[in-house]
Amino acid sequence: DQQVKQNSPSLSVQEGRISILNCDYTNSMFDYFLWYKKYPAEGPTFLISISSIKDKNEDGRFTVFLNKSAKHLSLHIVPSQPGDSAVYFCAANSGYALNFGKGTSLLVTP
Amino acid sequence: NAGVTQTPKFQVLKTGQSMTLQCAQDMNHNSMYWYRQDPGMGLRLIYYSASEGTTDKGEVPNGYNVSRLNKREFSLRLESAAPSQTSVYFCASSLRGGLHGYTFGSGTRLTVV
Repeated sequence: DQQVKQNSPSLSVQEGRISILNCDYTNSMFDYFLWYKKYPAEGPTFLISISSIKDKNEDGRFTVFLNKSAKHLSLHIVPSQPGDSAVYFCAANSGYALNFGKGTSLLVTP
Repeated sequence: NAGVTQTPKFQVLKTGQSMTLQCAQDMNHNSMYWYRQDPGMGLRLIYYSASEGTTDKGEVPNGYNVSRLNKREFSLRLESAAPSQTSVYFCASSLRGGLHGYTFGSGTRLTVV
């Protein structure tokens, strides 16, 4: 049973605009959340994380928002760049390992 | 700065054959993990090792065994490969989990025919 859900398999955004990737979770015991970026034929790389005691974390062009009451988090990329085109995975910590969503493929067009 | 190294990168097996996927990290991390990635399924945990000397099952352990050989190395073994084990396998390590997450290897693409 998927505890971390990314309901949009793909997203296309124009260069310079905002990309918003969404993630929902079911387990209220998750204590922190992470976003990973994955290019083809490479392993996932850590992008940004947020503790469950916070509602926002920012790192350059990337911001993650957490809404605990809705069990929802989102990743904002502003401005989007062609190099951001990749698959983005949302993950949540279950105490011993990370639970991953199925991923959202982001395409940033020039 | 090798990070997490996986070997081999590609492998084709016949049904029933066995093989071991190797993983080594040089970051002095305590915990190591094996995930598989299938189209439309995301990353699913096979086995993990929270620390040297311990291993535990994840979400999809059937058909696999693991060995935490030492702090650096964590291997995944398929005793009798099946077509359902065709996947991309990722090894990862972490200091203690935490907000900086895991460091992943570049993956092993396994095809079982």
